[in-house]
Amino acid sequence: NAGVTQTPKFQVLKTGQSMTLQCAQDMNHEYMSWYRQDPGMGLRLIHYSVGAGITDQGEVPNGYNVSRSTTEDFPLRLLSAAPSQTSVYFCASSAGPTRFQPQHFGDGTRLSIL
Amino acid sequence: AQSVTQLDSHVSVSEGTPVLLRCNYSSSYSPSLFWYVQHPNKGLQLLLKYTSAATLVKGINGFEAEFKKSETSFHLTKPSAHMSDAAEYFCVVTEGSYNTDKLIFGTGTRLQVFP
Repeated sequence: NAGVTQTPKFQVLKTGQSMTLQCAQDMNHEYMSWYRQDPGMGLRLIHYSVGAGITDQGEVPNGYNVSRSTTEDFPLRLLSAAPSQTSVYFCASSAGPTRFQPQHFGDGTRLSIL
Repeated sequence: AQSVTQLDSHVSVSEGTPVLLRCNYSSSYSPSLFWYVQHPNKGLQLLLKYTSAATLVKGINGFEAEFKKSETSFHLTKPSAHMSDAAEYFCVVTEGSYNTDKLIFGTGTRLQVFP
């Protein structure tokens, strides 16, 4: 079972460049989320979706866009990369509300902005 | 707002000795609490969860946690550490309404296990 697949695994960008981090899940989960992980800060929620066509902001949404056109995919877009966005990004999915259903995480995308 | 505080950033134990990872939470109502584990270069995996049923929760790989409302704590324990337990552990609380709840993560505790 593939579970949650994130691509790419590593990426280096220059300040001002744009890119899209891909996330796909094959479990037919309605709920999907994007987090960033920084040293000493745990994971912080960027954006989340409770179904196709429905997205909302999390704790740290500035500088990031998302869309959810299908159940399977939830891409994260950086419109103009900044060094402060250097981080490890995790995508997660769950079958329902997070208080009842476990979140399934991808292996992460390590992003460096020069 | 809900929050969690992990009281130790690093814990070191010898293989075969008990493990205690401490977590205190802040919540204005009855929370849902979780422990997740992250092995190097991997995503997070759910160890166990508390959702207002039994206060002593058993998880995978021999871990368990006890919800203590009077102490606002949810400490993670294991009777005997194994080398494969070396990882980072996150205490997590939910925030928000039923259908749009979000996970609030603690800052993590790195567990080292020595032979």
